[in-house]
Amino acid sequence: TQLLEQSPQFLSIQEGENLTVYCNSSSVFSSLQWYRQEPGEGPVLLVTVVTGGEVKKLKRLTFQFGDARKDSSLHITAAQPGDTGLYLCAVLNNAGNMLTFGGGTRLMVKP
Amino acid sequence: GAVVSQHPSRVICKSGTSVKIECRSLDFQATTMFWYRQFPKQSLMLMATSNEGSKATYEQGVEKDKFLINHASLTLSTLTVTSAHPEDSSFYICSARVSKNIQYFGAGTRLSVL
Repeated sequence: TQLLEQSPQFLSIQEGENLTVYCNSSSVFSSLQWYRQEPGEGPVLLVTVVTGGEVKKLKRLTFQFGDARKDSSLHITAAQPGDTGLYLCAVLNNAGNMLTFGGGTRLMVKP
Repeated sequence: GAVVSQHPSRVICKSGTSVKIECRSLDFQATTMFWYRQFPKQSLMLMATSNEGSKATYEQGVEKDKFLINHASLTLSTLTVTSAHPEDSSFYICSARVSKNIQYFGAGTRLSVL
């Protein structure tokens, strides 16, 4: 069983649609991060959420940390082909130096 | 922003040869770097933590004699895949720790072993 379960694993949508991907765990975390990875590239940090119930926005992306700090969601409004990629949630260990990644959600946005 | 350079971006080698991958922090010093492996359509799996001036810490199941890590300076860590075999073919990604909660990732190295 993975520490972080991401769903769905794959998502293919049309340009302009909205979508939400989830990152769930039975553990409580002090913070959680979301990354996007494009093919042949390394992951790029999108956001770090630290407070239960926190909502952060990055243009058309809205990130939410669950009240109990066990889960998080990423909502994309009016998806664009440029949003295509692998979305990864990750958490740090207590020392703040080791990342554990979820299995990822592979998103494809068709024009 | 902080930049991590990884080289080469792609390497093809024959079975039995060794391959060295470099990870450099270009505008900051990194006492800690990390090496990950990513198989197709899967997530990143941490292989080892590279600490400047000391031995690397390997995750369970990762052979330290096969994946040699050297972190001789504050800006460079290297991963050498020794006696590579086709099952070692993968996407290898390094990251460098900038601060307590922040790591920056290299662009990855795709290794193909024939």
